Amino acid sequence: EVQLVESGGGLVQPGGSLRLSCAASGFTFSGYSMNWVRQAPGKGLEWVSYISTVGSTIFYADFVKGRFTISRDNAKSSLYLQMNTLRAEDTAVYYCARDHYSAVAGIDSWGQGTLVTVSS
Amino acid sequence: EIVLTQSPATLSLSPGERATLSCRASQSVSSSLAWYQQRPGQPPRLLIYDASNRATGIPARFSGSGSGTDFTLTITSLEPEDSAVYCCQQRSNWPMYTFGQGTKLEIK
Repeated sequence: EVQLVESGGGLVQPGGSLRLSCAASGFTFSGYSMNWVRQAPGKGLEWVSYISTVGSTIFYADFVKGRFTISRDNAKSSLYLQMNTLRAEDTAVYYCARDHYSAVAGIDSWGQGTLVTVSS
Repeated sequence: EIVLTQSPATLSLSPGERATLSCRASQSVSSSLAWYQQRPGQPPRLLIYDASNRATGIPARFSGSGSGTDFTLTITSLEPEDSAVYCCQQRSNWPMYTFGQGTKLEIK
């Protein structure tokens, strides 16, 4: 069974940092590109970042560029998101999300999410 | 930036009826469109990928159609557990995704 388990969320002050982790199991992690997607309370979904299978291709949404860093460790089947200079508008549930292996558009597996709250 | 507009915002139907949900893109996304179901407190669930392909384990009651700028998610024989928010997503500017604002489907 495919499992994605996020951790590392919590309450942080504006300007602070957090590092999110996602532990993957039940599939060959190194064979899939991965994403972080977030959802502010009561709002829609927002794509945050993408990383290719070996980490050689990385993209960010404009609203996190220069502040967030995505990375992965295939030996540990883990995905990470380093979040710096956090703002109140970054408050959201952050999902670790796996791209469908053959689709152009489609995320076929999601974690349960970890809540990040940015507040003083 | 491509904007996805979903309609209607809310849809209220009875069990057994058919739901037709629309997603319109501000410019062509070819077939690079997916549909998701999201129940309260749950992560999204992939229903349809690349406009018309059902994801693994998704019942045949769910179908997707369209290409270019106009897409439709059809759900036949509605069941109470179909109550959820349905969201479309495009990826024409690979690998970046954008999402529609969602349609809330209520089963009376």
